[in-house]
Amino acid sequence: DTGVSQNPRHKITKRGQNVTFRCDPISEHNRLYWYRQTLGQGPEFLTYFQNEAQLEKSRLLSDRFSAERPKGSFSTLEIQRTEQGDSAMYLCASSPGGGRGDQPQHFGDGTRLSIL
Amino acid sequence: SQKIEQNSEALNIQEGKTATLTCNYTNYSPAYLQWYRQDPGRGPVFLLLIRENEKEKRKERLKVTFDTTLKQSLFHITASQPADSATYLCALDPSGGYNKLIFGAGTRLAVHP
Repeated sequence: DTGVSQNPRHKITKRGQNVTFRCDPISEHNRLYWYRQTLGQGPEFLTYFQNEAQLEKSRLLSDRFSAERPKGSFSTLEIQRTEQGDSAMYLCASSPGGGRGDQPQHFGDGTRLSIL
Repeated sequence: SQKIEQNSEALNIQEGKTATLTCNYTNYSPAYLQWYRQDPGRGPVFLLLIRENEKEKRKERLKVTFDTTLKQSLFHITASQPADSATYLCALDPSGGYNKLIFGAGTRLAVHP
C-alpha cells in the first residue's frame, strides 16, 4: 500500500491556460473522488468514479472541468481556460468500494494550483 | 439549508488536557459520520467512523460520540500532546450510498507544552 499519489504537487499558471492533474489511487480501490479545498474551508466534493464510470459530478463544477479514469486505474482532472477563482488545493481520494458506503477515504496530499 | 458547522475559532489547550471538538449538522440524516485530521499542506487522514446506531466509538486516546437527536458529534482527545496540533474535520455522507463526503470547515487545535 503506497498510498494515494498526486502529481504535480504544485502548479503555477497564467489565467486562461489549461492544466491537468494526475491521481494514482491505492491499487485495489474501485472508488475514486476529486475534491477542491480553499483556505480555511473543508474539502468540497467535485466528482466520483466507480471503476472507470464517472457516476456523479457536482453542480458546482463548470463545463471547464473534466475528469477521466480510463481503465479504472489512475485519474486525471483537467481545467480549461483557468480563472483566478480556480486557485485551490485539488485533492484526490480513493476507497475500496463495493458493499456499504461507510468506508474511510484515503487522500493524497493534493495539487496546489495558483493562477497568476 | 443543509449545513455542517464546526468551531470556527482555533482551540488552544494545555498539554495533558482533554480537547473536545464539536460538529453540528442541520437538514441531514446521515447513517454515519467520519472524523479526519489534516496537517498544513497535507491531505486529510481518516481517524474514526461512527454509525447512527453507535453512541460512542474509541480508538486509543480518541473518542467520538454521535447524537442523532441533537444532530451533533463530539470528538475528544484525552491526554493531549503537542503532536496532536492539527485541523480536525468532520464529514458525513448525505446519500448514505457511495460515500460522497460533505465536510465541515474544520477546527484548528493547538496543544501547548
